Amino acid sequence: QITLKESGPALVKPTQTLTLTCTFSGFSLRTNGVGVGWIRQPPGKALEWLALIYWDDDKRYSPSLKSRLTITKDTSKNQVVLTMTNMDPVDTATYYCARRITIFEVAHFDYWGQGTLVTVSS
Amino acid sequence: DIQMTQSPSSLSASVGDRVTITCRASQSITRYLNWYQQKPGRAPKLLIYAASSLQSGVPSRFSGSGSGTDFTLTISSLQPEDFATYYCQQTYNTPQTFGQGTKVEIE
Repeated sequence: QITLKESGPALVKPTQTLTLTCTFSGFSLRTNGVGVGWIRQPPGKALEWLALIYWDDDKRYSPSLKSRLTITKDTSKNQVVLTMTNMDPVDTATYYCARRITIFEVAHFDYWGQGTLVTVSS
Repeated sequence: DIQMTQSPSSLSASVGDRVTITCRASQSITRYLNWYQQKPGRAPKLLIYAASSLQSGVPSRFSGSGSGTDFTLTISSLQPEDFATYYCQQTYNTPQTFGQGTKVEIE
């Protein structure tokens, strides 16, 4: 059974750094082709792709947020960590992590965590 | 970034209706297109990947088609549990952008 779960603070102050952890089970980030991504969704708005880390430690970031994001993995703990610096109220959103796999050479997110709501407010 | 534009943004339909949602990419993405369903307060759920492949466990009333820049998600006979918001996503390159969503509401 594949599961992912996000954890981190529910409330952060403006200018602070957000650290979110995705803890997963049922698959390995050592497996060729597998990745874990982060996606966020402001209240009432659309999904926004943030970052992705691959089994080989390759990393991809949203260009608009690249200067603020860092994604890392700890394969032994089955965890992926996303840090976002200089938080602003516009970053208030539900943050999801999801497993990325490839079938027919097309990548997609087949399993998602439940999401964690992060509010940025002083 | 590749822009994904869905239409309509929302629609009202009745149980049993055939529903079609379109997604247009700002450049060719061949078949690197996925569809997700999201219900309020829940995480998105994968429905279709690679434009037309049905994810395991998803009812066969859902289907996808298209290639290049134009794609379609069709629900052949709308069921009560299908009222939700639907998103397309391209994975042709990063950032792997999503459409703005199509909300399917009860008429």
